Amino acid sequence: EVQLVESGGGLVQPGGSLRLSCAASGFTFSTYWMGWVRQAPGKGLEWVANIKKDGSDKQFVDSVKGRFTVSRDNTKNSLYLQMNSLRAEDTAVYYCARHGTWSFNYWGQGALVTVSS
Amino acid sequence: DIQMTQSPSSLSASVGDRVTITCRASQTINNYLNWYQQKPGKAPKLLIYSTSSLQSGVPSRFSGSGSGTDFTLTISSLQPEDFATYYCQQSDSIAWRFGQGTKVEIK
Repeated sequence: EVQLVESGGGLVQPGGSLRLSCAASGFTFSTYWMGWVRQAPGKGLEWVANIKKDGSDKQFVDSVKGRFTVSRDNTKNSLYLQMNSLRAEDTAVYYCARHGTWSFNYWGQGALVTVSS
Repeated sequence: DIQMTQSPSSLSASVGDRVTITCRASQTINNYLNWYQQKPGKAPKLLIYSTSSLQSGVPSRFSGSGSGTDFTLTISSLQPEDFATYYCQQSDSIAWRFGQGTKVEIK
């Protein structure tokens, strides 16, 4: 059974940093692109980032470029989202998701990130 | 960036109704169009990928169609468990983008 479990969410002050982790199991992690999607409270879904199977290609939504980085450790079956220079508008539930056929076919339960003083 | 516009933003329907949700892209997206269902407090669930392919385990009352810039999600006979918010999403460009969502409520 495919499982994706996010961790690392919490409350952080504006300008601060936070790293989210996503532990994957039930599939061969190294053979799939992975991504992050976020959802601000009461709002719709926003794609944040994608990362290639070997980590050699990374793509980001414009609003986080230069502030967020995505990485993976295929030996640990783990995906990461490093978030720096956080702003109030980054407050959201962050979902880790596995790529399917040009889509996200498995999702984690989400991790809440709150940026507030 | 390719913008995605869904309509309507919300709708009220009864069990057994046929429901259609439309998604329009700001440019041609070569059928890289997906549909997701999200219930309150839950992660989204993939329903349809590549415009019309039904994700494994999804009931056949869900179907997708379209081409170019205009795409449709149809629920042939609405069931109680289908009351949720539906999102389209394009994966044709590097910057994947979701529509704003359509909330399907009980009439």
